[in-house]
Order: sequence, then structure tokens, then C-alpha cells
Amino acid sequence: SHDLTQPSSVSVSPGQTARITCSGDVLTKKFVRWFQQKPGQAPVLVIFKDSERPSGIPERFSGSSSGTTVTLTISGAQVDDEGDYYCYSAADNNRGVFGRGTKLTVL
Amino acid sequence: DVQLVESGGGLVQPGGSLRLSCEASGFTFDSFLMTWVRQAPGKGLEWVASIKHDGTGKFYVDSVKGRFTISRDDAKNSLYLQMNSLRVEDTAVYFCRVVTFTGDFWGRGTLVTVSS
Repeated sequence: SHDLTQPSSVSVSPGQTARITCSGDVLTKKFVRWFQQKPGQAPVLVIFKDSERPSGIPERFSGSSSGTTVTLTISGAQVDDEGDYYCYSAADNNRGVFGRGTKLTVL
Repeated sequence: DVQLVESGGGLVQPGGSLRLSCEASGFTFDSFLMTWVRQAPGKGLEWVASIKHDGTGKFYVDSVKGRFTISRDDAKNSLYLQMNSLRVEDTAVYFCRVVTFTGDFWGRGTLVTVSS
């Protein structure tokens, strides 16, 4: 199966650590990308290859992987980090799949 | 800077057709796989189709196979999505996406509304 499972919502207070998980059998073989999306905007890549951070993404964003689960961690979450977060993985057959998305609330 | 600009969206009746375009700039277009991703109103992201850099491989999500065709024109630095036999459930913002050596880039999207 190539399904990716995410929690529908995560809520933290400003300054706390937010953790968003993504689970799937394929994740033992394939890397994950994490995208942040704010209303009315295109997604923005925040993590690739499970734990690599693109230039320009704050250090408070990090990623980790263990078995069939990858985790996006936002250390010291800020109000500006609110949005929808999607994990993404590519399959062997050149297809891609997104998780259903997690709505992060920081308040 | 990499830019992707989608166009061609609009209102169409069920069973109708539309052709989406994505004009690319700021990178060597014919070197990279190109992808369409869509997002239904209030819903999550869905990978729709990808085409290899040389056009030899085309890949589709099961729900659009046989109805949608992805193509590219490297001379025009453009990506296309021909959408036939449109259904109400195809209503979405359609994004063009490319992953290059320098990043993962998306256009702003074009809205397709399928309704009678």
C-alpha cells in the first residue's frame, strides 16, 4: 500500500514543540518531503529527504524517520507556522502520493 | 528565478474538456520531470500526473487515466494537461510543479470548476 497517514490536526501554544507524523509502509524504502501550505497559497517545501532543510527554512523545522513513520518537528512553534502540512512520497512506479494533511494551530 | 505560471482553467460542464498550460522559466525546462498536482476546494493535495524530462514516460493517478493527457513542448518551455470527460469531482485548483537541483517549485495554480 502507498497510503500515507497523518493526524488531521495538531494544536500547540506558541513556543511549544509541534510534532506531526506521517506513517506508511512505503516509508521504509522512500524518502518523504514535507510541505507547508497557507490559505490561498501554493505549498512550500520545508523538509526533503526525511530530514534535510531547504535554504531559507528556519532551523526550528526538522525531520526524522523511524521505520514506517516520519516526523516533522517544529521546535518553538510560532503563530506564523500555522497552516496545513502535507507529507509526500514518490512510489517506485513514478507516481506520487500526499498524506491527507494536518492542520497546525498555534495559539 | 524559477517561475511557473498556469493558465486555462475555468467553468466547464460535466463531460466537457479543458486544456491547462504551464509556462516555465528560470531553469532548463527539458532537463526535469514535470508534474500536475490538484487540490479540491477545502481538501488536500493530490498528485495527478507527471511526465519525464524527455517525454518518454507519462504517469497518472488512477482516477484520471484514460481521460487526462499530460504533455510538454520543450521549445515553448510549456507543460500541458488535456482534460476530457470532466467530472464534478475534478473541480480543483491545478498546480504545476517541478523539482530541480535548486528547489521544489510550484505555480500559483489555476481553478477548474466542473458544474452544470
